[in-house]
Amino acid sequence: GNSVTQMEGPVTLSEEAFLTINCTYTATGYPSLFWYVQYPGEGLQLLLKATKADDKGSNKGFEATYRKETTSFHLEKGSVQVSDSAVYFCALTPTGNQFYFGTGTSLTVIP
Amino acid sequence: NAGVMQNPRHLVRRRGQEARLRCSPMKGHSHVYWYRQLPEEGLKFMVYLQKENIIDESGMPKERFSAEFPKEGPSILRIQQVVRGDSAAYFCASSQRTSGGSDEQYFGPGTRLTVT
Repeated sequence: GNSVTQMEGPVTLSEEAFLTINCTYTATGYPSLFWYVQYPGEGLQLLLKATKADDKGSNKGFEATYRKETTSFHLEKGSVQVSDSAVYFCALTPTGNQFYFGTGTSLTVIP
Repeated sequence: NAGVMQNPRHLVRRRGQEARLRCSPMKGHSHVYWYRQLPEEGLKFMVYLQKENIIDESGMPKERFSAEFPKEGPSILRIQQVVRGDSAAYFCASSQRTSGGSDEQYFGPGTRLTVT
């Protein structure tokens, strides 16, 4: 079946710290992988995506590399800001119809 | 703002009442998806619709839940005889499918349903 496992939170970091949020997946076939971000009271916004093995998605200083051999898509940022405080969801879709989401990781960045 | 619109943003219903949640997709998008987010959980797929067709409803509970996307107007998620366990955030997403590939889904702000 298809599923996504995310690192549990909450995660609290100081401003300018390095961020890693782990994400591993199980899937049939060759899924596309995504990171979405959810700010309080809002819907999900696409942060980045990768559609095939070894692709690197990047946006706003965040990066994630599609690793087929380890079935992982870990999210990283070199220097977090207070404005990055949000809930981050890893997701996959094998077909483009259904998306499968992880449970989310809450990040709080303190000044 | 041409994003995905959902209304109402907050909905309170007593047990046994009906809840109707509306979703207007982004302009030019003809594919709509509904997800449910329970407290402290990720989003769970419910249903995928195109205009006048249900494509995949494998995530919909078998009873009390229905969805439609008519030729004109918004997509509607309908929950009959609501129970406390239906309290959740319901998100709608839309996409513009191209042949093959996995199109990005654009999400609305959600409807937070509270059943008292």
